[in-house]
Amino acid sequence: GAVVSQHPSWVICKSGTSVKIECRSLDFQATTMFWYRQFPKQSLMLMATSNEGSKATYEQGVEKDKFLINHASLTLSTLTVTSAHPEDSSFYICSARRALNTEAFFGQGTRLTVV
Amino acid sequence: LAKTTQPISMDSYEGQEVNITCSHNNIATNDYITWYQQFPSQGPRFIIQGYKTKVTNEVASLFIPADRKSSTLSLPRVSLSDTAVYYCLVGEYGGSQGNLIFGKGTKLSVKP
Repeated sequence: GAVVSQHPSWVICKSGTSVKIECRSLDFQATTMFWYRQFPKQSLMLMATSNEGSKATYEQGVEKDKFLINHASLTLSTLTVTSAHPEDSSFYICSARRALNTEAFFGQGTRLTVV
Repeated sequence: LAKTTQPISMDSYEGQEVNITCSHNNIATNDYITWYQQFPSQGPRFIIQGYKTKVTNEVASLFIPADRKSSTLSLPRVSLSDTAVYYCLVGEYGGSQGNLIFGKGTKLSVKP
């Protein structure tokens, strides 16, 4: 299967700072990437969908000014958590698909801890 | 998007066959059924996908009845390493955006 890589795998940051998480499709071009958040013992919650070269579409209740998503190329999408607070501590996972009618591949996730 | 219902948890023993059923009563004509596996602190991993009847690959089988209102993931001869959460997703294979919406999943615990 195709490989999707996230970086970093884990990060600890101070409250009020911003953190950037990268999601790369290593061996394919991803027209669409998805970002999820997962709290302990809960399911994945879709945050936003991004298509290369266009603005991301955010799910209801997700603050787009707080969670900045950029999909500048067909192999890279970034999620920036701005002015992070302890309640933003979570497991963030990205997913990518080549095109319509293809399966989605997931990254290994990024554990964010805000102290 | 069709809503899915799965058992919250299941227990099994090594070597047994495990069947996890997912209900999706309002599945649409264009919807596919996809199963993912997730280990703690890892991203989900694709297991199998199907539209109707039966699909089999090297790790699992997926049984879909004619009405498609449910599906069953079958894991043959499970091992301890199959302990994970299994998610059933229903939606258009691509769709306008192809959003993958996860339900609560089934936590499978395999015991020795």
